[in-house]
Amino acid sequence: KAGVTQTPRYLIKTRGQQVTLSCSPISGHRSVSWYQQTPGQGLQFLFEYFSETQRNKGNFPGRFSGRQFSNSRSEMNVSTLELGDSALYLCASSFGAGGFQETQYFGPGTRLLVL
Amino acid sequence: AQSVAQPEDQVNVAEGNPLTVKCTYSVSGNPYLFWYVQYPNRGLQFLLKYITGDNLVKGSYGFEAEFNKSQTSFHLKKPSALVSDSALYFCAVSGQTGGFKTIFGAGTRLFVKA
Repeated sequence: KAGVTQTPRYLIKTRGQQVTLSCSPISGHRSVSWYQQTPGQGLQFLFEYFSETQRNKGNFPGRFSGRQFSNSRSEMNVSTLELGDSALYLCASSFGAGGFQETQYFGPGTRLLVL
Repeated sequence: AQSVAQPEDQVNVAEGNPLTVKCTYSVSGNPYLFWYVQYPNRGLQFLLKYITGDNLVKGSYGFEAEFNKSQTSFHLKKPSALVSDSALYFCAVSGQTGGFKTIFGAGTRLFVKA
């Protein structure tokens, strides 16, 4: 079974631009979570989608948004990029119905550099 | 609110020696505890989890973790470390409050010296 895939793997943008990252979960998984990983802040939860609905949200500004499609693929968008948005963005999928007990399976991440 | 702490930024151990990576947590209700490992330029890989039952949980690559409710700890252990175990290790907790999300610790970098 194919793992979680994320595209693109690397991205360079300039301040003020916007960016869209894509995540394809493991087949059969309906939950997709997004995390931001930086050396200073570690892994921080952005949001989680289940069956096309945002089920939970972390403490990030409204510039960070996401959506999930009917095939469970998910995208996250960051508008008006800031230097501090430079990070590794990780996507994780799970079946979703089991709630807190479920193991998350992570993609390799998209490394975003904002200049 | 739920939280997880990994008190050591880095752990150094010689190959063949036992290793321990520490984790303590705070959560309302029953905790669901996880360990993940991250190799350079990779996403996180699941090692093991505690949901309920036996306090000693066995996972991938010879790792195990012991759930201690009184000390609110979930330390990761391995009897004999390998150089290839060198990586970044994350403890995580999910709880019955705060919605469906997992909180990760800051991570502990493990160095295994040959």
